[in-house]
Amino acid sequence: TQLLEQSPQFLSIQEGENLTVYCNSSSVFSSLQWYRQEPGEGPVLLVTVVTGGEVKKLKRLTFQFGDARKDSSLHITAAQPGDTGLYLCAGSKDGGSQGNLIFGKGTKLSVKP
Amino acid sequence: NAGVMQNPRHLVRRRGQEARLRCSPMKGHSHVYWYRQLPEEGLKFMVYLQKENIIDESGMPKERFSAEFPKEGPSILRIQQVVRGDSAAYFCASSPVRGWGTEAFFGQGTRLTVV
Repeated sequence: TQLLEQSPQFLSIQEGENLTVYCNSSSVFSSLQWYRQEPGEGPVLLVTVVTGGEVKKLKRLTFQFGDARKDSSLHITAAQPGDTGLYLCAGSKDGGSQGNLIFGKGTKLSVKP
Repeated sequence: NAGVMQNPRHLVRRRGQEARLRCSPMKGHSHVYWYRQLPEEGLKFMVYLQKENIIDESGMPKERFSAEFPKEGPSILRIQQVVRGDSAAYFCASSPVRGWGTEAFFGQGTRLTVV
């Protein structure tokens, strides 16, 4: 059973388009993180959201944590080829005290020039 | 300011051999986490260690896998008698205090291939 479902699994768009990827669960998480991973590299943390309904912006990226803390979304405005990568969401159920993050399988984004 | 260092980056082992993966945490970090990423799968938690202590090993296979984080030196993930199914990318992350609430940083991973 995959606790965190990410959609879509693959996304291929043209430069300049907007996109939204989703991370959904039936479970409540105390916090949720988004990472980007490039081929052959480790995941790089983009943002952590902890409060239901929280919205965080990072340049052209907007992250939202659902009111019930069961889901999250990542919206990218005017995508660029440099945004290409695997986007992973990861949730913590115990405040992270045990270091046991639950990861989704990711959304593989390709932005074509 | 060096990040989390993992070595080797790539490791090839024949079935039945032992694999040793090393992780040096960021300076000042005393908490280390190991994750495994199978092809087309998300990262799966394996073990959480503090210096000389295993805090949570609920994700570690019961046999052939072990991990340590000695007082001096890197954390080691050891896989004995490797099988083809052990082929994966193994990532280490470190944090300065207990738990993932603070930022934890991942290394670049060790890609283990069992032939």
